[in-house]
Amino acid sequence: GAVVSQHPSWVICKSGTSVKIECRSLDFQATTMFWYRQFPKQSLMLMATSNEGSKATYEQGVEKDKFLINHASLTLSTLTVTSAHPEDSSFYICSAPNWPYEQYFGPGTRLTVT
Amino acid sequence: AQSVSQHNHHVILSEAASLELGCNYSYGGTVNLFWYVQYPGQHLQLLLKYFSGDPLVKGIKGFEAEFIKSKFSFNLRKPSVQWSDTAEYFCAVNDQGAQKLVFGQGTRLTINP
Repeated sequence: GAVVSQHPSWVICKSGTSVKIECRSLDFQATTMFWYRQFPKQSLMLMATSNEGSKATYEQGVEKDKFLINHASLTLSTLTVTSAHPEDSSFYICSAPNWPYEQYFGPGTRLTVT
Repeated sequence: AQSVSQHNHHVILSEAASLELGCNYSYGGTVNLFWYVQYPGQHLQLLLKYFSGDPLVKGIKGFEAEFIKSKFSFNLRKPSVQWSDTAEYFCAVNDQGAQKLVFGQGTRLTINP
C-alpha cells in the first residue's frame, strides 16, 4: 500500500524556537495533504489542509501564523511550528489521500517544547 | 458541521469475547465511513471503509462493520477478539466529494489474555 513518512519522529525544542516537520508521500503524488494534532489519549484534530501550489486551508481556531504550512512539491508538505511554547507539545500526524477517498497516515511526530 | 461520536471510551475484554464498538455520526448528506486502528507506537491503519453498496463491510483481521443509515451508525464488530487486537480504534467520516476526515474520540480496546 501507499506509504507516507514523517521526519523527525521525535523532536525536543526550547520555548521560543521554531520546528519544522516534514511529511512525504513515498510512492504516490499528493496534491493535498492533511495535518492533524493528537493530544494524549485523545482523537485526531484536523489542523489544516495543505494544497500543492496554493495556500493551506486552516480549520477554525488554528493560528495560521503559528503553524506555517508549505506544500513544496507533489510529495512533500512541511509544518513549521513557530515560536513554540509548551502548550504546543503534542503528536502531529500528516495524511495524504491516494484517490479517491482513502487516506494514508504518517507515523507521526512527537513534539516536546521545554 | 459533521461530528462523530464513539460512546465507548475504554473497553476491556477477555480473549475470544465478541466485540462491538459504537460509532454515530451527524451529517445529512452522503458520507464515506471508515474505521482506523492505531496499535501502540504505530501509525493509523485502515481497518475497513464504506462508500456505497452492501452496508455490511468486511475488513482486515476479521473485523466488520455495518452501516445503518436510519440510525446514522457504523458500528465495528469482531466475533472473537485476540490479545493482539489491543489498540485504539477510531471511526471517521467524510462527506462524499471532500477528502478531509472527521474523527471520533477514539475507543481504547484492551484485551486480557
